Amino acid sequence: EAQVTQNPRYLITVTGKKLTVTCSQNMNHEYMSWYRQDPGLGLRQIYYSMNVEVTDKGDVPEGYKVSRKEKRNFPLILESPSPNQTSLYFCASTQTGGYGNEQFFGPGTRLTVL
Amino acid sequence: AQKITQTQPGMFVQEKEAVTLDCTYDTSDQSYGLFWYKQPSSGEMIFLIYQGSYDEQNATEGRYSLNFQKARKSANLVISASQLGDSAMYFCAMREFRTGANSKLTFGKGITLSVRP
Repeated sequence: EAQVTQNPRYLITVTGKKLTVTCSQNMNHEYMSWYRQDPGLGLRQIYYSMNVEVTDKGDVPEGYKVSRKEKRNFPLILESPSPNQTSLYFCASTQTGGYGNEQFFGPGTRLTVL
Repeated sequence: AQKITQTQPGMFVQEKEAVTLDCTYDTSDQSYGLFWYKQPSSGEMIFLIYQGSYDEQNATEGRYSLNFQKARKSANLVISASQLGDSAMYFCAMREFRTGANSKLTFGKGITLSVRP
């Protein structure tokens, strides 16, 4: 089954404790992206990657890091989480080229930073 | 200016009736794509329908259709024969030519739809 997986699905942590949210896709997609969803703001892009070792900032990259060492994996790293990073996070992937390519979303990770 | 505007705060519809969810967009690109996603209370994002800027016909997918009015820059989602399972948040999103290799989707704030039995 074609899918994007994320782990963990839920996480409660404290300010300053480094954490990583994993993302993996099994569709051999070149493009992957991270979004955060906040009430009243919709989804906003954090970082994206066009292929292995190629990453770039999205609209709200502050406080986040990413890496793309393998095509299928695109982890999101919060080196020193703060309460304003409490949010619902989505990883997404799509085939490159063409505006109609569906973006496949992971199930989401609900993060609470105390 | 917001690129995607969804102003309806919350919508209610009777089961089996049709409902229209509004979306207006703002872009100067000639090439772009418009998407609708459904987010049920469980949180996942479910792709519903896509409309390309050069598509002459409105997109349809089962009970979903997209009323695309290019000159007015609107891309309203029409759900026919509403079902209880349609109760969810609905997001309109746009992919613009200007983002280049970044296949970024720009999302609206979403609309909550509640289907009444």
